[in-house]
Amino acid sequence: QLQLQESGPGLVKPSGTLSLTCAVSGDSISSSDWWTWVRQPPGKGLEWIGEISHSGSTNYNPSLRSRVTMSVDKSKNQFSLRLTSVTAADTAVYYCARMHPLDLKPSYYFDSWGQGTLVTVSS
Amino acid sequence: SYVLTQPPSVSVAPGQTARITCGGNNIGTKSVHWYQQKPGQAPVLVVYDDSDRPSGIPERVSGSNSGNTATLTISRVEAGDEADYYCQVWDSSTDHQVFGGGTKLTVL
Repeated sequence: QLQLQESGPGLVKPSGTLSLTCAVSGDSISSSDWWTWVRQPPGKGLEWIGEISHSGSTNYNPSLRSRVTMSVDKSKNQFSLRLTSVTAADTAVYYCARMHPLDLKPSYYFDSWGQGTLVTVSS
Repeated sequence: SYVLTQPPSVSVAPGQTARITCGGNNIGTKSVHWYQQKPGQAPVLVVYDDSDRPSGIPERVSGSNSGNTATLTISRVEAGDEADYYCQVWDSSTDHQVFGGGTKLTVL
């Protein structure tokens, strides 16, 4: 059974860099084409941050593109998120998830999620 | 960018039918996916590709999509259905994923 687990610092200082890793277990990261990061500020809705393919191609939310970098490490079966110049508005629960393609249609849904990790931006 | 509009809240009595809408321009031409999120938990996929259910999701949960509105329908609502529900699509014009703002389902 596929499992995803986010990890990283729970507290980041303003103007600093948020770095998270999503460890994939139960299957190879290469078995799925795309992996994604989603965040949820306290009491608010879900926001798509971006996606990364197992080969390293990326696609980012334009509202975050200037600050986001995603990477993949096949040897460790994990992928990562880096968000620079953080502010209090970046305080959120961050989720990683697997993107599952539809058959014959250009669409993906998120079928497996990590439990999420709360990152607070504060001095 | 593509916008998905959901009502902030829907309330229904136990045993009744809840309908949660997701509005978007010509959303009927897109594949819509729905997620249930209970407090303190990660989202769970409940409907994909407008109306398909993952294994383990009961038949009383269904979806439809036509015109400018997609709908998640939960029949015979139970207390355990109380949660936030989000719709999601892929916007082909920008190649980005989009979430609706979410709907809080309250079971009276």
